[in-house]
Amino acid sequence: AQTVTQSQPEMSVQEAETVTLSCTYDTSENNYYLFWYKQPPSRQMILVIRQEAYKQQNATENRFSVNFQKAAKSFSLKISDSQLGDTAMYFCAFMNARGAQKLVFGQGTRLTINP
Amino acid sequence: EAEVAQSPRYKITEKSQAVAFWCDPISGHATLYWYRQILGQGPELLVQFQDESVVDDSQLPKDRFSAERLKGVDSTLKIQPAELGDSAMYLCASSLDRGYIQYFGAGTRLSVL
Repeated sequence: AQTVTQSQPEMSVQEAETVTLSCTYDTSENNYYLFWYKQPPSRQMILVIRQEAYKQQNATENRFSVNFQKAAKSFSLKISDSQLGDTAMYFCAFMNARGAQKLVFGQGTRLTINP
Repeated sequence: EAEVAQSPRYKITEKSQAVAFWCDPISGHATLYWYRQILGQGPELLVQFQDESVVDDSQLPKDRFSAERLKGVDSTLKIQPAELGDSAMYLCASSLDRGYIQYFGAGTRLSVL
């Protein structure tokens, strides 16, 4: 079974700083997807960024980028020029490319952006 | 913008009572998911539907939990009887098909007293 580990329960940075959230996963599969989801306080979870394992190029979405290291099974999220609205729980998630294709989530990192 | 609708937003019940949660996915989405999220943890999949069929319910406590998606559109998750350990956020998500991006509803926060 796949597992996802987020080793940083909480992080806090100043507005405009850059912050990196860590994620490692364990799988024997070769073809899969990785995600970062954001869950703001009392609001619904939304997708931040998605990475296909077969792509070597790291995904980027505006201020959000990932560092995908397939051999190391590492998938970190970098937030540049952090904003107050980035304050949220961030979840790393894994999905197999075959079978039921369900999301397996990590424990989450609570990120606080301070003014 | 289309959203996944869930109701109620909050539910307080007593131990041994029955509770039900409702989810209306984004129109046209074939795959529907129910997750349970215990406070401070990541969501865990309870059941996954493809249209009206169950694809995965391996983590659903079938002695007390049931889920249905009769017409392949909206879905109901039921707990009977509720136990103290069932207190959690219950999230519904939908996707166009298996393997596509999942969109989440706001969730139902259940408190069992």
